[in-house]
Amino acid sequence: SQQGEEDPQALSIQEGENATMNCSYKTSINNLQWYRQNSGRGLVHLILIRSNEREKHSGRLRVTLDTSKKSSSLLITASRAADTASYFCATVSVTGTASKLTFGTGTRLQVTL
Amino acid sequence: NAGVTQTPKFQVLKTGQSMTLQCAQDMNHNSMYWYRQDPGMGLRLIYYSASEGTTDKGEVPNGYNVSRLNKREFSLRLESAAPSQTSVYFCASSVTGGSPLHFGNGTRLTVT
Repeated sequence: SQQGEEDPQALSIQEGENATMNCSYKTSINNLQWYRQNSGRGLVHLILIRSNEREKHSGRLRVTLDTSKKSSSLLITASRAADTASYFCATVSVTGTASKLTFGTGTRLQVTL
Repeated sequence: NAGVTQTPKFQVLKTGQSMTLQCAQDMNHNSMYWYRQDPGMGLRLIYYSASEGTTDKGEVPNGYNVSRLNKREFSLRLESAAPSQTSVYFCASSVTGGSPLHFGNGTRLTVT
């Protein structure tokens, strides 16, 4: 079963615009991570936000986390054609000594010139 | 800086054939994972190894077996391939469970 659900499933914007992707999840988490996947490649980790954090920045990326609403958003500012990729959220839940990381179904972002 | 290396990159099998997907990491990570990725399904965990010497089932383990050969290597075996196992398989590793994953570039498997 998928823990995270991304919204929208697909997003098309022009270069220079901002892109916002949302992720909702169902159970308590330890942290939430965002990944990017270029076509035909493996996923690349972008940013991790812990359950006690509300916002985190990394370059043009801004991630927010609202644990009361069980949701997170990823904002890419001033998008570039090279940002075209699929973006996945992944939630980490910890039970005892075991950690479980579960991926959502992803958002496909298309950035056009 | 090889990171996570998967072999082969592509494979075509006939129903009932067996094969082993190989994965090796050179980052001294403790945890390793096998995922499959199907259209519209995201990534689903097949098996993982929290540390050398341990393996555990993930969300979709049926039809697969794994071996954590040593700290570097984690292989995935299909004993009798079925068309439902047609997918892209990704190996990943992390320092510990819950820390960011480093992925290989995948094995695209087709079972006819």
